[in-house]
Amino acid sequence: DIQMTQSPSSLSASVGDGVTITCRASQSISGYLNWYQQIPGKAPKLLIYAASSLRSGVPLRFSGSGSGTDFTLTINSLQPEDFATYYCQQSYSTPLTFGGGTKVEIK
Amino acid sequence: QVQLVQSGSELKKPGASVEVSCKASGYTFTDYVLNWVRQAPGQGLQWMGWINAKTGNPIYAQGFTGRFVFSLDTSVTTAYLQISSLKAEDSAVYYCARGNADNFHSSDYWGQGTLVTVSS
Repeated sequence: DIQMTQSPSSLSASVGDGVTITCRASQSISGYLNWYQQIPGKAPKLLIYAASSLRSGVPLRFSGSGSGTDFTLTINSLQPEDFATYYCQQSYSTPLTFGGGTKVEIK
Repeated sequence: QVQLVQSGSELKKPGASVEVSCKASGYTFTDYVLNWVRQAPGQGLQWMGWINAKTGNPIYAQGFTGRFVFSLDTSVTTAYLQISSLKAEDSAVYYCARGNADNFHSSDYWGQGTLVTVSS
């Protein structure tokens, strides 16, 4: 199985800050990397697929990059609604696997 | 618009069985897979597997074989998750999510989640 490691597991930031979350795969997954946002008590929401493709309707302050084993999610100018937990997921091979999550909290 | 609507919360005793349903609408049901994802209390997301809505063929992740069964009723565009011989550690929120092969198998639409609580 492909292991996905996210870092950091949590971070504190202020509204208007930029943040970067990293995700590393235990083997190459080409560009088969997706990012999800989960607000407490809600279902996850797809933000980015194929490492860097922004899902329609997702604000442009979200961006993704990377290929192979190393990927990043960047949020420019954090907004109040962005405080949530973010998960990466590889969809290169089954079993599809998620990273452990990164909780973005308000400083 | 695409919607996945799941059945309501369940409280079950250890050893019992439960069925969670996921009613899909707003798209051609048989053109996609349905993923099942578990989230234990305070924990992260765990992919349980998927079922191909065209073929009915399921794939189960390790740890979700035997007691877990995915099924479909295409006539009512609904997917089902059955869990038998329930244990306390099965207590979790279970999500269905549409898998989109055109978008690198990302899960682009999610149900609202079904809380299953196993307690004596």
